[in-house]
Amino acid sequence: AQTVTQSQPEMSVQEAETVTLSCTYDTSENNYYLFWYKQPPSRQMILVIRQEAYKQQNATENRFSVNFQKAAKSFSLKISDSQLGDTAMYFCAFIVDSGYALNFGKGTSLLVTP
Amino acid sequence: DSGVTQTPKHLITATGQRVTLRCSPRSGDLSVYWYQQSLDQGLQFLIQYYNGEERAKGNILERFSAQQFPDLHSELNLSSLELGDSALYFCASSVDGRGLTDTQYFGPGTRLTVL
Repeated sequence: AQTVTQSQPEMSVQEAETVTLSCTYDTSENNYYLFWYKQPPSRQMILVIRQEAYKQQNATENRFSVNFQKAAKSFSLKISDSQLGDTAMYFCAFIVDSGYALNFGKGTSLLVTP
Repeated sequence: DSGVTQTPKHLITATGQRVTLRCSPRSGDLSVYWYQQSLDQGLQFLIQYYNGEERAKGNILERFSAQQFPDLHSELNLSSLELGDSALYFCASSVDGRGLTDTQYFGPGTRLTVL
């Protein structure tokens, strides 16, 4: 089975602070991609960042970076200098080489407060 | 804006009815995916089409069907609707529908409410 676990249903952070969202996954495949998607109150699903499993270097996109630990099957998202616009539901997901569909976690609701 | 469009934005209907959700992929994308987001099941993959052909099926009910047309837009048909079908339905598109080399971009979704 291919599963994604996001153990933090809700999190809160103050503006300008740093927050880390956790994600663990399970797959027997060796080749896969990992993603973080953001879903703001508008409900649009927005790609935040992606990581190729064969790459050891952690991906970064501006204020967003990941900590990818392949052996531990862990893929956390760090948001630096949090902004009010970062308030959203964040979903961790992955797709395997032999698959077509994204496997999503249940999401973490992040609230950024002034 | 991802470039994927979905219509309608909202749909309210009654149990037993049939509805059609429409999706237009990003320019140049050949593959379309449908996902259902509900409170209890989370985001679940329903079905994928590539260049008009069905490529993969997920947890799609027999009451649901989809197709992709020659102009690459896709429609998801939901029939004999039940209260539990109330959800947000997303369409996503990608260039060639190959798992690893392709990123899926999501449309804004259609919120279906079954009363």
